Amino acid sequence: GESVGLHLPTLSVQEGDNSIINCAYSNSASDYFIWYKQESGKGPQFIIDIRSNMDKRQGQRVTVLLNKTVKHLSLQIAATQPGDSAVYFCAENAWEAGTALIFGKGTTLSVSS
Amino acid sequence: DSGVTQTPKHLITATGQRVTLRCSPRSGDLSVYWYQQSLDQGLQFLIQYYNGEERAKGNILERFSAQQFPDLHSELNLSSLELGDSALYFCASSVGASGGDKQFFGPGTRLTVL
Repeated sequence: GESVGLHLPTLSVQEGDNSIINCAYSNSASDYFIWYKQESGKGPQFIIDIRSNMDKRQGQRVTVLLNKTVKHLSLQIAATQPGDSAVYFCAENAWEAGTALIFGKGTTLSVSS
Repeated sequence: DSGVTQTPKHLITATGQRVTLRCSPRSGDLSVYWYQQSLDQGLQFLIQYYNGEERAKGNILERFSAQQFPDLHSELNLSSLELGDSALYFCASSVGASGGDKQFFGPGTRLTVL
């Protein structure tokens, strides 16, 4: 599968490959993290979330990994499909800081068949 | 479909004008959040209301204000509009107040200021 280091704005993969999208978060006090998918002209769509007391969580074809030591979050998409093409955002929440979600810059995933 | 509705879908207005954006949360959700998405700033949190009360504030300009009504729908008021206010405005809702809940986003309102 295709893997990237810290945040890259774009990721291009072939249909059927596994995709890994990375995100570095900013606040060591953040305790809740979400991945969203945003298709052109639409609102962000919830994919998967994880709390800071976990380091891995799996959904349908997606896995989120959390590394609190280096403040790093990743989203793995198995068997990527053309319908997965979108912008993917990670978001963090540090409620004690009195804020709502803080979004990362986003990675555009392009899947070619 | 997230269950969050926003109106209008598109809004075109002139500088100096005032507009109101409307949001209805998912059934059962008590929190409403407003976000602004522009090309250069990404998705930015503006303000949160929980059960009618302001709960958290982000990078919201003084020209902008919001409220949540007893039926839990929310309105975002933008006044003295400037060209730089052109953006997508999203509303999200969640069950709880803490911000550590899943937030579900509406389809957004695209505001164009000419």
